[in-house]
Amino acid sequence: QQQVKQSPQSLIVQKGGISIINCAYENTAFDYFPWYQQFPGKGPALLIAIRPDVSEKKEGRFTISFNKSAKQFSLHIMDSQPGDSATYFCAAFDSNYQLIWGAGTKLIIKP
Amino acid sequence: GAVVSQHPSRVICKSGTSVKIECRSLDFQATTMFWYRQFPKQSLMLMATSNEGSKATYEQGVEKDKFLINHASLTLSTLTVTSAHPEDSSFYICSARVAGGLTGELFFGEGSRLTVL
Repeated sequence: QQQVKQSPQSLIVQKGGISIINCAYENTAFDYFPWYQQFPGKGPALLIAIRPDVSEKKEGRFTISFNKSAKQFSLHIMDSQPGDSATYFCAAFDSNYQLIWGAGTKLIIKP
Repeated sequence: GAVVSQHPSRVICKSGTSVKIECRSLDFQATTMFWYRQFPKQSLMLMATSNEGSKATYEQGVEKDKFLINHASLTLSTLTVTSAHPEDSSFYICSARVAGGLTGELFFGEGSRLTVL
């Protein structure tokens, strides 16, 4: 119930393409869903986040789509650039403010 | 956004010695800080939650006597790895929650790479 399942494990996208990473959860008490971007040897940085009362949130080239009934949410990176190459983690907050992490997706953008 | 500074970024030590890692919130007060450990190609694993002025809460399986956490002020938490051994080599990351901030507002340090010889 506390898991957040993330897929794919790795993803290769051509420059200019759309990168899509998916996450699914089971606990309906989760009320905040952030995405983090992590470059090698660095700590994760908050990229974008959404609450379940919203179905979509867009910030620049990054969009979160949220499907509350299916308990799924996804990150879309439009016009993907080589600088977007990183590991992306989805996460969910539970009522105890514990952050439950997805397993991560290593994204490689090919020039 | 808020900045969390972690120091040192890299440390190499001999087996049996102790290492202290600092986590500072530079421009905000953090009532709660979290310490994570990350193995290569894996997600972050929560080690403990520290609240300013009280004892840290450790996750199951994390030895509190080995990983000493002190959260003495609203801007500083420290993790001390005592009597370090090679298996303690890892990437340690702290994060801080803004006092009075929205649920989920966590800011992460840059991480500290510990290598125990």
